[in-house]
Amino acid sequence: AAGVIQSPRHLIKEKRETATLKCYPIPRHDTVYWYQQGPGQDPQFLISFYEKMQSDKGSIPDRFSAQQFSDYHSELNMSSLELGDSALYFCASRASPAYEQYFGPGTRLTVT
Amino acid sequence: GNSVTQMEGPVTLSEEAFLTINCTYTATGYPSLFWYVQYPGEGLQLLLKATKADDKGSNKGFEATYRKETTSFHLEKGSVQVSDSAVYFCALSYLTGGGNKLTFGTGTQLKVEL
Repeated sequence: AAGVIQSPRHLIKEKRETATLKCYPIPRHDTVYWYQQGPGQDPQFLISFYEKMQSDKGSIPDRFSAQQFSDYHSELNMSSLELGDSALYFCASRASPAYEQYFGPGTRLTVT
Repeated sequence: GNSVTQMEGPVTLSEEAFLTINCTYTATGYPSLFWYVQYPGEGLQLLLKATKADDKGSNKGFEATYRKETTSFHLEKGSVQVSDSAVYFCALSYLTGGGNKLTFGTGTQLKVEL
């Protein structure tokens, strides 16, 4: 079965650089979520999109932005990177009205 | 606000031992409850879910019952295997106009030894 695809899997950036993370949801899933998981931490919700519109917003810094495109893939743009942005970034997708979210393998971002 | 509290780990068990990982939640109304599992270096996998009080979710020998009276969703397995070693996250969400975001507990690491 098709799963959520995230790219790249690993990314190394320097402070103050920008990064773009991509997420390709499971086909026919209409909702995408982004989560950030710091080392040894639980995943924290950043932002979600339903049918290409932002549906909810969590603890996402103003330096980050995201969107969902017409083909339902989503991108998380991160600017002025800080050391504290180093984390695993997960994308998840859901087919409403089902409850389950299906997670991708994550992108590990390291800021040096 | 909503929150999930899990027992701290790591939990270390011998193979074939009984597993319980405690999870309690604080929320208004009737959230849906989930257990996710994260194997080393991998993403989160949905293990089981329950959407209303007294529902029992089960999968791969794991079970959890949604107890509204005690606001709990404890994970159990009768006989663990080495391959069950992973981090387990309890989570809740609401299927409302708020978008169904997940609120996670801090995770409990399980180590199963031969």
